[in-house]
Amino acid sequence: DAGVIQSPRHEVTEMGQEVTLRCKPISGHDYLFWYRQTMMRGLELLIYFNNNVPIDDSGMPEDRFSAKMPNASFSTLKIQPSEPRDSAVYFCASSPWTVLSGANVLTFGAGSRLTVL
Amino acid sequence: AQKVTQAQTEISVVEKEDVTLDCVYETRDTTYYLFWYKQPPSGELVFLIRRNSFDEQNEISGRYSWNFQKSTSSFNFTITASQVVDSAVYFCALSEPGKTSYDKVIFGPGTSLSVIP
Repeated sequence: DAGVIQSPRHEVTEMGQEVTLRCKPISGHDYLFWYRQTMMRGLELLIYFNNNVPIDDSGMPEDRFSAKMPNASFSTLKIQPSEPRDSAVYFCASSPWTVLSGANVLTFGAGSRLTVL
Repeated sequence: AQKVTQAQTEISVVEKEDVTLDCVYETRDTTYYLFWYKQPPSGELVFLIRRNSFDEQNEISGRYSWNFQKSTSSFNFTITASQVVDSAVYFCALSEPGKTSYDKVIFGPGTSLSVIP
């Protein structure tokens, strides 16, 4: 398996622009997670999906952020409009679900480094 | 609320030295999982180990070992005979299955380990 695929790897944009980050999870993984990593706040869970349905979006910082998962093999995280404080590395991760331990062994993508000028 | 503390922000050791990374967690649950992830300079987070709260046996995998002590709410990670390739940021994490935030994995702030040749 190719693992979790994220694109773009790097994005530089200007304040006010729309940013779309993409993720392809591992085939067969029921859960998909979006995390954000910054020096100040570390790794923060933004939202996660189970079988394409958003389960917990309490970590989404504000209405400028939205995430979708239209099918089992694709998810997007959109920021509109972007602000300099959104600069961070955004990770997508996926996990299978097991009866014994649920879905908590995460396989991460390589991350998308976003810089908003 | 869940919380993971990694008091050591940065550690430097000389190659071949042993090093222990500390992790202290807080949870009100009796059932939970603990994890360690490694983030090398390339940026991608890599799963190392998962332990459930009912299994306090220490684990050894090659040069890596983990010491889980419920009495002190600690899950420490020791690297024996460190190597330059061990240089990375190491994250301890906690998840509590069985709630509305089922499978939500919370990460500690990370410990940056530098192994000097």
